[in-house]
This record gives sequence, C-alpha cells and structure tokens, in this order.
Amino acid sequence: EPEVTQTPSHQVTQMGQEVILRCVPISNHLYFYWYRQILGQKVEFLVSFYNNEISEKSEIFDDQFSVERPDGSNFTLKIRSTKLEDSAMYFCASRTGTSGSSYEQYFGPGTRLTVT
Amino acid sequence: GDSVTQMEGPVTLSEEAFLTINCTYTATGYPSLFWYVQYPGEGLQLLLKATKADDKGSNKGFEATYRKETTSFHLEKGSVQVSDSAVYFCASSSWGKFQFGAGTQVVVTP
Repeated sequence: EPEVTQTPSHQVTQMGQEVILRCVPISNHLYFYWYRQILGQKVEFLVSFYNNEISEKSEIFDDQFSVERPDGSNFTLKIRSTKLEDSAMYFCASRTGTSGSSYEQYFGPGTRLTVT
Repeated sequence: GDSVTQMEGPVTLSEEAFLTINCTYTATGYPSLFWYVQYPGEGLQLLLKATKADDKGSNKGFEATYRKETTSFHLEKGSVQVSDSAVYFCASSSWGKFQFGAGTQVVVTP
C-alpha cells in the first residue's frame, strides 16, 4: 500500500540554524500539508500546498517557514532560523484531488525536531 | 471557524472494558469526520471515517456514527485490549482542511 514517507525521523539542531524537513507524498496525490504537534499538545495545521503554490496557511506559518516542491516527488518544509519553540513533531500529509475522496489525508510517520 | 472538541484524558480502563471517547464538532458546512490513532512514538494512523450524516465508520472493533443533529462523532469499542493504549484524535475536514481535537490518551491495563 502506498504511504507517505518523511526524513529524517529525528533532527537535532541548534537555535538559529536552518532545517529542511523532507516528505515524499503518495505519488498520485495533488494536495500536500504540513502539521506540527508540540509534545503533549494537539496537532496543528501549518500549511497546505496545491498546484505548486500555498493554498492556505495558519498564523503559525510565519516568514521563518517556507515550503517547496522541488521536483515531482519531494515536498519540503524549511525553517529558516529555528527557535526553541519550534521543537515539535512535524507531520506531512497528502490527499488525492478527486471528488468523493472524503478529503481523507494520509499522514507520514513524522519528523521529531529538537532545537537546542 | 471549524473546530473539534473531544473529551480530555487520560482515560484508564481495564482490559475488556467498554470505551467511549466523546467528540463534537462545529462547522459551517457538512464536514467529513475522522478518528486517528497515534501509538507511542509513531505517527497518525487513520482509524475510521464517515463522510455524511448517519454514516457509521468502523475498524478493528471501533465504531463511530456521524450524528448531524448533535454534531457528534463519538468513538466506541466494546472490549478494549492493552494494545489499544494510544492517543486518539477526532478530526473534521471541510474542503480538505483538517481540524484536530486535542487528543485523548487511553491507557488499558491488564
């Protein structure tokens, strides 16, 4: 069964450094998402991406964040200058564009980002 | 805006007990509703879903019915196992945007 993959599984970085989190969505999916989950808290929407552009973003997704689909398979989240409060689990998700799909999103296993 | 509210945990149960986790939603339209499960150290896995009123989603002994009149999607399982220990998230999706509840930790003891 196709699945969303994410790398790395765990990233440790120092405050102020740039990080890039990578995701490979399911191949025929058209919509891509990033979420984050601070330890012990709810899953929060960050950004959605469709047709090579951001379709929606939350207030969390400030100028420090950017997303890119550099080729036909990868979908990346970049944090330009990490802060301690960026420490969280980051989930990538994707879904098809077909009607009747119930908008079900398929989630990757997550990347745990630790900012020290 | 849309939102999802679910009961707080942790919920601690003995094996073979009955589990209910309450979930209610607010939405301007008619969202699809989901339950996701997160086992320790893992990502989110879809447990079940329902796309319209009165639909019942079911999987692995878990069930939830989409109740438009009460805007609810409560998760139930008749006889839990230790392996059901996890965090359960209720979620709604309108036009592809997901809203998650805060998650309910379930601990099942032998």
